[in-house]
Amino acid sequence: AAGVIQSPRHLIKEKRETATLKCYPIPRHDTVYWYQQGPGQDPQFLISFYEKMQSDKGSIPDRFSAQQFSDYHSELNMSSLELGDSALYFCASSLRDLVTGYTFGSGTRLTVV
Amino acid sequence: KQEVTQIPAALSVPEGENLVLNCSFTDSAIYNLQWFRQDPGKGLTSLLLIQSSQREQTSGRLNASLDKSSGRSTLYIAASQPGDSATYLCAVVGVSGTYKYIFGTGTRLKVLA
Repeated sequence: AAGVIQSPRHLIKEKRETATLKCYPIPRHDTVYWYQQGPGQDPQFLISFYEKMQSDKGSIPDRFSAQQFSDYHSELNMSSLELGDSALYFCASSLRDLVTGYTFGSGTRLTVV
Repeated sequence: KQEVTQIPAALSVPEGENLVLNCSFTDSAIYNLQWFRQDPGKGLTSLLLIQSSQREQTSGRLNASLDKSSGRSTLYIAASQPGDSATYLCAVVGVSGTYKYIFGTGTRLKVLA
């Protein structure tokens, strides 16, 4: 069965650079969520999209932006990177009503040096 | 604001033991609850999903129960194996209309051979 695909798996950037993370949801899933997980921490919600519109916003820095495209894939754009942005970034997809819960991608490990 | 707590934070047991992981949430108005497993540096794998109308779900050696009125869920692992070593996270989504999971702090399990 198709899963949630995230790319790249690993990313190393320098401070003040820009990064773009991509997420391809499970076919027919209409909602995408982005989470950030720092070392030893639980995942923190960043932002979600339903039918290409932002549906909810969490603790996402102003330096970050995201969007969902017509094919339902989503991109998280991170600018002016800081050392504290180093984390695992997960994307999850679901049906809007969450009747089958979340399916997570394998994540992107971002390291800012 | 929903808060999710997991006890214990860490657990080390000999192989073969049956064990119980606990999850508590402060707002009982939940839509469903999902248990995940996370290996170090890896993505989150869904284990069990319990709808608010259900009392328990079973998959192999895993059994999850839900007591919505008391704000608690337990994950029971029978006959633990070294391969069960991982972090276990519970997450709840409320009925308030914001369709996102709030994660617990996780239980780090180590099963000793």
